[in-house]
Amino acid sequence: GEDVEQSLFLSVREGDSSVINCTYTDSSSTYLYWYKQEPGAGLQLLTYIFSNMDMKQDQRLTVLLNKKDKHLSLRIADTQTGDSAIYFCAETLSGGSYIPTFGRGTSLIVHP
Amino acid sequence: EPEVTQTPSHQVTQMGQEVILRCVPISNHLYFYWYRQILGQKVEFLVSFYNNEISEKSEIFDDQFSVERPDGSNFTLKIRSTKLEDSAMYFCASRYGQGATDTQYFGPGTRLTVL
Repeated sequence: GEDVEQSLFLSVREGDSSVINCTYTDSSSTYLYWYKQEPGAGLQLLTYIFSNMDMKQDQRLTVLLNKKDKHLSLRIADTQTGDSAIYFCAETLSGGSYIPTFGRGTSLIVHP
Repeated sequence: EPEVTQTPSHQVTQMGQEVILRCVPISNHLYFYWYRQILGQKVEFLVSFYNNEISEKSEIFDDQFSVERPDGSNFTLKIRSTKLEDSAMYFCASRYGQGATDTQYFGPGTRLTVL
């Protein structure tokens, strides 16, 4: 079955890069996603990557996908205090209704 | 920007009571979802709803749960007889289509506490 794992906490200093990691088990994953949840708000899609890609960059965000190791990462460059949030990794499988399977979320704390 | 709204933000109830969690999806969206997250655990899919019927549900979504779209704007999740283990954050989501890149928009969640 599908399973997505992430570490629970990450603390970084403002201005540094943050790297949030995720592993998944199902090799038939088609899309992998990163969602962000700010306090009091819903999950917001940040970015996604198709499984035949190995990297996607979008401004300060870089997503790296290692299909062999089933490892996904989200790098946030020049992390700001406004980036403090919970980040969820998710996957969808081919041939279905593309309902994401989520991890537990990584709480990113950015301190001055 | 349109958003999904949920009410109440926090609901406290006694074990065995019925609760109804309410959601207003984005108005032109066709697919609706409920998820839950027990504290410290993963966000889990409960049910999806399309064209006024359940299209998919997880094994969590047993006979105690039901969903309804009573008036074309609200989308509700009812738990008939709450149990302690139903305590969780419940998220509603909606999207226009169900392709891999059709973004799901999530509400802020309702925290349900069962005493």
